Amino acid sequence: NAGVTQTPKFQVLKTGQSMTLQCAQDMNHEYMSWYRQDPGMGLRLIHYSVGAGITDQGEVPNGYNVSRSTTEDFPLRLLSAAPSQTSVYFCASSSSGGRAYNEQFFGPGTRLTVL
Amino acid sequence: AQSVSQHNHHVILSEAASLELGCNYSYGGTVNLFWYVQYPGQHLQLLLKYFSGDPLVKGIKGFEAEFIKSKFSFNLRKPSVQWSDTAEYFCAVGSGNTGKLIFGQGTTLQVKP
Repeated sequence: NAGVTQTPKFQVLKTGQSMTLQCAQDMNHEYMSWYRQDPGMGLRLIHYSVGAGITDQGEVPNGYNVSRSTTEDFPLRLLSAAPSQTSVYFCASSSSGGRAYNEQFFGPGTRLTVL
Repeated sequence: AQSVSQHNHHVILSEAASLELGCNYSYGGTVNLFWYVQYPGQHLQLLLKYFSGDPLVKGIKGFEAEFIKSKFSFNLRKPSVQWSDTAEYFCAVGSGNTGKLIFGQGTTLQVKP
């Protein structure tokens, strides 16, 4: 198993540009989520999905869109990048069912800089 | 709203010293508790987890944590740290009915050889 994969690893954008961060998992996990990591603030949940076709907002959703057309993929879209979105983005997945629902497996991250 | 607080933001220890990192959470219901570690330049990895049962849980690399329900705490411990333990440590809390995790701010541990 490759686990959770993310592309690209690094990205530099100009303010106003759009892009999509890719996330895929091969563990047949129903739950997937996106976090951003900023110094001194830990990880904050952006959006999450409990299954294909179902998404919901997390703690900091503004400026980001998601969709979940398949179990495997959960892309994160920045429609109009802003410098405040400079961060490291992590995708995570977990299986559903019981208390194991919350044990999440993380991807390697995407380091995004918005100029 | 749920919240997680890690009291130590930056800890510096010498090798062989003992480690204890504090974590407190606010949530009145049933919780799942986690400690994740992020080594420099790497992604988060699970150190240990608590779902139920024995409140003293053991994880990888000699780490352990104790769940004290009355104190809403889940402190991480290691008797003797190594230089390779230099990393950032995150406490996280989830409730049983959702997939959401709430993370603490993180603690950066620097171990001097």
